[in-house]
Amino acid sequence: DAGVIQSPRHEVTEMGQEVTLRCKPISGHNSLFWYRQTMMRGLELLIYFNNNVPIDDSGMPEDRFSAKMPNASFSTLKIQPSEPRDSAVYFCASGNGRAGDTQYFGPGTRLTVL
Amino acid sequence: DAKTTQPTSMDCAEGRAANLPCNHSTISGNEYVYWYRQIHSQGPQYIIHGLKNNETNEMASLIITEDRKSSTLILPHATLRDTAVYYCIVKGGTSYGKLTFGQGTILTVHP
Repeated sequence: DAGVIQSPRHEVTEMGQEVTLRCKPISGHNSLFWYRQTMMRGLELLIYFNNNVPIDDSGMPEDRFSAKMPNASFSTLKIQPSEPRDSAVYFCASGNGRAGDTQYFGPGTRLTVL
Repeated sequence: DAKTTQPTSMDCAEGRAANLPCNHSTISGNEYVYWYRQIHSQGPQYIIHGLKNNETNEMASLIITEDRKSSTLILPHATLRDTAVYYCIVKGGTSYGKLTFGQGTILTVHP
């Protein structure tokens, strides 16, 4: 089992540029989560998909952030335009979405916006 | 989801058992107790979870009090590689599996 795969692992970009982060969940999982981690705010949930449908995006900071899940094996998180305060580690996790189910995290994408 | 309280940091000698406490006094009957850890620069790693009964797997044991208001994660023989931030999370009910991370406990295992 390859686990959750994220790409790129590191991204350095300049303010104003578009950034796209990618995630491949574990095969067979029907739920996908995007989290962000910063020193100030810790780990926080941005958006949750169930069966490829966004269920809760209340954690998305603002309209500059968007996420899609076109199929069960792929999701993207896009920031346009990026700002220095978006610098963080972004984690994708997948699971089966039930209360007693376990979420498995990817290795994260470290984003630096200059 | 119920709120959890954990000590900010703990130390443990290598080879000894590490016992990490967690208080979750407002837990409801259908909520699970989950433990994750995060080693520096890595994604959170699932350790163990339980509802009412004590649980054990290859990584750790989870002891949940009878009233379910607190729990203890036990790493039976801590190694230097167990140095990490340990998160106790209560999950369930109508939260569709959402994990709400607190500040966790920084466990330092020293030689």
